[in-house]
Amino acid sequence: DAGVTQSPTHLIKTRGQQVTLRCSPISGHKSVSWYQQVLGQGPQFIFQYYEKEERGRGNFPDRFSARQFPNYSSELNVNALLLGDSALYLCASSPQRQNTEAFFGQGTRLTVV
Amino acid sequence: AQSVTQPDIHITVSEGASLELRCNYSYGATPYLFWYVQSPGQGLQLLLKYFSGDTLVQGIKGFEAEFKRSQSSFNLRKPSVHWSDAAEYFCAVGPFDSSASKIIFGSGTRLSIRP
Repeated sequence: DAGVTQSPTHLIKTRGQQVTLRCSPISGHKSVSWYQQVLGQGPQFIFQYYEKEERGRGNFPDRFSARQFPNYSSELNVNALLLGDSALYLCASSPQRQNTEAFFGQGTRLTVV
Repeated sequence: AQSVTQPDIHITVSEGASLELRCNYSYGATPYLFWYVQSPGQGLQLLLKYFSGDTLVQGIKGFEAEFKRSQSSFNLRKPSVHWSDAAEYFCAVGPFDSSASKIIFGSGTRLSIRP
């Protein structure tokens, strides 16, 4: 069975641009969460989506948005990129709303120059 | 506020030696607790988790962790490390209620193995 898949694996963007990151959860999982991991730190929670609705939001600016599609895949969008947005963006899927069993993808490495 | 502290930024142990990675949390009730491992450039892999019951939890790759409520700790241990255990280890806590999803991670402990 395929695990959580994220695309692209690496991305380089310029300040001020917009970026879209994609995540496909494990088959049968209805919950997708997004995390930002800055170099040298632990992951920071950005969003959770369950059954296509936002169920949780971390302390991130409105430049960050996400959505979940009927097939439970998800996109994370970041507008007006800043240098500080450079990070590894991790997607985690879970079979239920409460994230007591989260499986992580390999992440998307975003570099903002 | 909920928080997780991993006091050791970097630990080096010899191959075959025992290992203990420390984790302390701040939360008013008994939380869900996790240990994850991350190899360079990779995502996170769950080593073990604690929800309730036996306070000594067995995980994959020979790891175990012990929950100590009185010390608000959830330390990770392994009796004999292998070179392949070199990685970053994250302790995490959450979610905090039945409708919540947020998991809080510590800042990580980087483990190096001395041949």
